[in-house]
Amino acid sequence: DIVLTQSPGTLSLSPGERATLSCRASQYISNNFLSWYLQRPGQPPRLLIYTTSYRASGIPDRFSGSGSGTDFTLTISRLEPEDFAVYYCQQYVDGTSPTFGQGTKVEIK
Amino acid sequence: QLQLQESGPGLVKPSETLSLTCIVSGGSISGSNAYWNWIRQSPGKGLEWVGTIRTSGNTYYSTYYKPSLQSRVTISIDTSKNEISLELTSGTAADTAVYYCGRGGGIAVSDTWGQGILVTVSS
Repeated sequence: DIVLTQSPGTLSLSPGERATLSCRASQYISNNFLSWYLQRPGQPPRLLIYTTSYRASGIPDRFSGSGSGTDFTLTISRLEPEDFAVYYCQQYVDGTSPTFGQGTKVEIK
Repeated sequence: QLQLQESGPGLVKPSETLSLTCIVSGGSISGSNAYWNWIRQSPGKGLEWVGTIRTSGNTYYSTYYKPSLQSRVTISIDTSKNEISLELTSGTAADTAVYYCGRGGGIAVSDTWGQGILVTVSS
């Protein structure tokens, strides 16, 4: 399986600050099939970004995704109170099993 | 608006079969071109893809399963009930998790999710 390693494990920031989350893959992610999700406690994940940089429907433009190959980034330009949550990256490469990263918790400083 | 709702027993005995249903409302499975995913999350842990069934038109379905679960898992569709089912045989404590169904445009990629159902495998 392709292993996705997210860093940092926890990010402590204040509302209004910029957040940069990293996701590194153990193998090349072809077609940039890398997605990002946000999960709040007791809720299902919510798709933010798919295919590296495309925002899902209804996702505000303060969320952006970038990267290629094995290194991918989710950026939140200005943190809103509702953005404090756990973020997961997820990959799909044809012929392999989809996997998720272990998550990055964005907490209020 | 498409909505998904997982249902099934919350407690399963070890070695028994875990059977869940994803009830789809606000849209029809039949005739859709979509990927219907099952994802699980062990208590306090991360997300794990279980499997996917892809629908393409009215008759073409294909399934994809996590290799380590492939011998135990079956995902199917009942178009008459507009439901997607997950069966996981020979349950163990390691199968204890919140199970989510989701729909999206790719394997394991879901833009619509159910609220999830906690299934505990215990005697």
